[in-house]
Formats: sequence, C-alpha cells, structure tokens
Amino acid sequence: GESVGLHLPTLSVQEGDNSIINCAYSNSASDYFIWYKQESGKGPQFIIDIRSNMDKRQGQRVTVLLNKTVKHLSLQIAATQPGDSAVYFCAERRNQAGTALIFGKGTTLSVSS
Amino acid sequence: GAVVSQHPSRVICKSGTSVKIECRSLDFQATTMFWYRQFPKQSLMLMATSNEGSKATYEQGVEKDKFLINHASLTLSTLTVTSAHPEDSSFYICSASGQGGGYTFGSGTRLTVV
Repeated sequence: GESVGLHLPTLSVQEGDNSIINCAYSNSASDYFIWYKQESGKGPQFIIDIRSNMDKRQGQRVTVLLNKTVKHLSLQIAATQPGDSAVYFCAERRNQAGTALIFGKGTTLSVSS
Repeated sequence: GAVVSQHPSRVICKSGTSVKIECRSLDFQATTMFWYRQFPKQSLMLMATSNEGSKATYEQGVEKDKFLINHASLTLSTLTVTSAHPEDSSFYICSASGQGGGYTFGSGTRLTVV
C-alpha cells in the first residue's frame, strides 16, 4: 500500500550545525503533514505541521518545506543541539480530518558536542 | 494543551494471559482514537481506528479477536491484547483526536511477554 518513507536512516551532525531531514510521500491526496520527534521509550512529540496548501512553515529553530510536485517533505533544524538527538518521523494524513496519521520510517539524528 | 494519559507505561505478562492498556484524554473529548504498534528501530504502524460508540476498524493483518479495542466513552479507549505471546512484545501507542482535528499521543506502553 501507499506509505510515507524517508531517504536517510541516520544523520550525524556537530552541535551548532543545521540539520536537514527528508521525507518522501506517495499519497498525492494527503492534505496534512506533521513532523514528530521521538525519544527512546516515549511517545511521539509534535514538532511542526504543514497543510498541503502551503509550501513552507517556520517555527522556533525549525522549518518544514513541502514540495508537492515531487512529493517531498523536509525538516530543517537550525543550530542543532545535543537535546535534538532523537528519531524523527514525518507523518501524513490522507485527505480528511479524523483519519489516521501514517508514519514514515524515521531518521535517527545524532548530535555530537 | 491537549493531554492523553496512557497506562501502564510498562507491563510484563506471561504467555497466554491478557493485558489491558488504557488511553484517556484528560482535557478534551476524543471522538476518534488510534492505536499503533512499534517494534524496535521501526516506525509506528497503525493497528486500528476507533470512533466513540462504534466498532473499531482494523488495518489489514491485525487480528481483531486478538487485539480488542473498546471506545465506550469520549475520554477512554482500551486495547486488550488477548492470549499474549512473545511475538506480541512491542511498544503500543495511542493517539486521540477531538473535534478540533489535532492528534495527541500517549506516552506509550512497553509490553513484554515472557
């Protein structure tokens, strides 16, 4: 079936660098996307979301970019910190509110001091 | 903000027994609850979707008689793993969605079947 996937399973960066985590999705009808951070043994933590009628959204130190033409989503983290080390998932919602989020495979971000 | 409480956080049970996991929305009405399972180093896999007062809709490959889901109220959903086996050991996570449409996740339950 259709699913959301990720290009890179792991990403290692130095503290202070900018990080970019990518995600490819296959369902062109998806209307809403969310990036989550998950630390070991915990539930997903909301980072930032974007609707399909937008191509960019910024938060505090994070930016999400959506390219619907190539079905690509990215999460940019500025000035990455050791506390950002975690697994990051993108999730998509298929075309209507109330439907489940489908998660991508996850990228492990490792930040060294 | 919206809070979802999931209990227990960890449980160990013997093979063949049943385990119940609770998911409560503390400050909003959860019209829809979602249950996910996550194996080590893998993503969250959707198991089922339940709307309050209705039978759950299970994803392909998920045994509805083994994973019993109850969503009898707007603030509580339960997942019961019946006749648990070691291969059911996993991290189970619930997510609740209210009329506002957002998704709030529980903190997860680590199930170990011995």
